[in-house]
Amino acid sequence: NAGVMQNPRHLVRRRGQEARLRCSPMKGHSHVYWYRQLPEEGLKFMVYLQKENIIDESGMPKERFSAEFPKEGPSILRIQQVVRGDSAAYFCASSPLNLAGRQNYGYTFGSGTRLTVV
Amino acid sequence: KQEVTQIPAALSVPEGENLVLNCSFTDSAIYNLQWFRQDPGKGLTSLLLIQSSQREQTSGRLNASLDKSSGRSTLYIAASQPGDSATYLCAVLLEYGNKLVFGAGTILRVKS
Repeated sequence: NAGVMQNPRHLVRRRGQEARLRCSPMKGHSHVYWYRQLPEEGLKFMVYLQKENIIDESGMPKERFSAEFPKEGPSILRIQQVVRGDSAAYFCASSPLNLAGRQNYGYTFGSGTRLTVV
Repeated sequence: KQEVTQIPAALSVPEGENLVLNCSFTDSAIYNLQWFRQDPGKGLTSLLLIQSSQREQTSGRLNASLDKSSGRSTLYIAASQPGDSATYLCAVLLEYGNKLVFGAGTILRVKS
């Protein structure tokens, strides 16, 4: 089991370009979560997706950010027209089921994508 | 709104010391609490998960306790080693919605 795979590991974009971050969940996991870690800060929830559905996007900025988890392929976090403030580490996590009510289940995190906007 | 606070923000100890990291949360409506380790430039490694109905969990030299009613958790590391140097993150899984709320972390340095 390869775990949660994120790519690229490092991404450099110029201001105004688009950034696409990919996340392949663990085998058998159909729930994906994206978190962002700004420099010197803790991780903040962005979005929770199941296959072909966005369940909770309450942590996503209203503009320029979007996420999808298609029926086939990885989950994609897309940031359009990047700005310097988007520079951060973006982490993806997955779980095999809806964690609500399941005390003994946790998340498995990927190694993250470190986005640098120059 | 759930807030998670970790104290201290940074800790430097000599090798061999036993140490305690603290985590507090404002809302007791949680399913579980996880302690993670993060090495510089790396991802998160789950160390221990404590269910809301449990009081503690142990794994090797690590012991984590949870007092849900008072909103506190501690991570105890016995006989610390230089390889324990990392950032330790505490996170609670909210009862409402599938969200983990993280603390800002404790940066631990164990000197040889």
